[in-house]
Amino acid sequence: GQNIDQPTEMTATEGAIVQINCTYQTSGFNGLFWYQQHAGEAPTFLSYNVLDGLEEKGRFSSFLSRSKGYSYLLLKELQMKDSASYLCAVNTDSNYQLIWGAGTKLIIKP
Amino acid sequence: DARVTQTPRHKVTEMGQEVTMRCQPILGHNTVFWYRQTMMQGLELLAYFRNRAPLDDSGMPKDRFSAEMPDATLATLKIQPSEPRDSAVYFCASGWGRDTEAFFGQGTRLTVV
Repeated sequence: GQNIDQPTEMTATEGAIVQINCTYQTSGFNGLFWYQQHAGEAPTFLSYNVLDGLEEKGRFSSFLSRSKGYSYLLLKELQMKDSASYLCAVNTDSNYQLIWGAGTKLIIKP
Repeated sequence: DARVTQTPRHKVTEMGQEVTMRCQPILGHNTVFWYRQTMMQGLELLAYFRNRAPLDDSGMPKDRFSAEMPDATLATLKIQPSEPRDSAVYFCASGWGRDTEAFFGQGTRLTVV
């Protein structure tokens, strides 16, 4: 079957660094997305990894290891506005399906 | 400021009624997605169109749901008849393909009583 696992909830302190992990088991792999979703709002795109390695975009970085079926999103210099859910999604080969994780709710404390 | 527009933003309806949700994708995008999001199930793909052709609607209950793109500026999702278990937020998203960023609309919050 198709499966994506993310922690349900994480808490971090303003100014700190947090790593949100995502592991996947899917029938095929064509890339992995990270999206941010604030409560009551639509998801917004953060990153897309197709090849192994780390991609950095300002305070956010995303890492992929295809052999391990693993990705993480690294958020640095946390700000209160980073409190949101972070969704991991895998682009599979199968019937154009994009498989989504349940999301990780990140709580930032002062 | 290009964005995906969804209407209505909120809809409350009685069980058994027909519900139609509309989406205007970003001009120039060739891919449209319909998603449903609930607390229990998370984000589920219902339908996927490329160049207005339906490529995948395997996630959609066929007996009551239907999705169409009558033209490049309009995508619709219909539920007939609606049931309380359909209560969710329905998102439309558009982009340039499955392997690129999708831009989401603000969603339609549907409540079926």
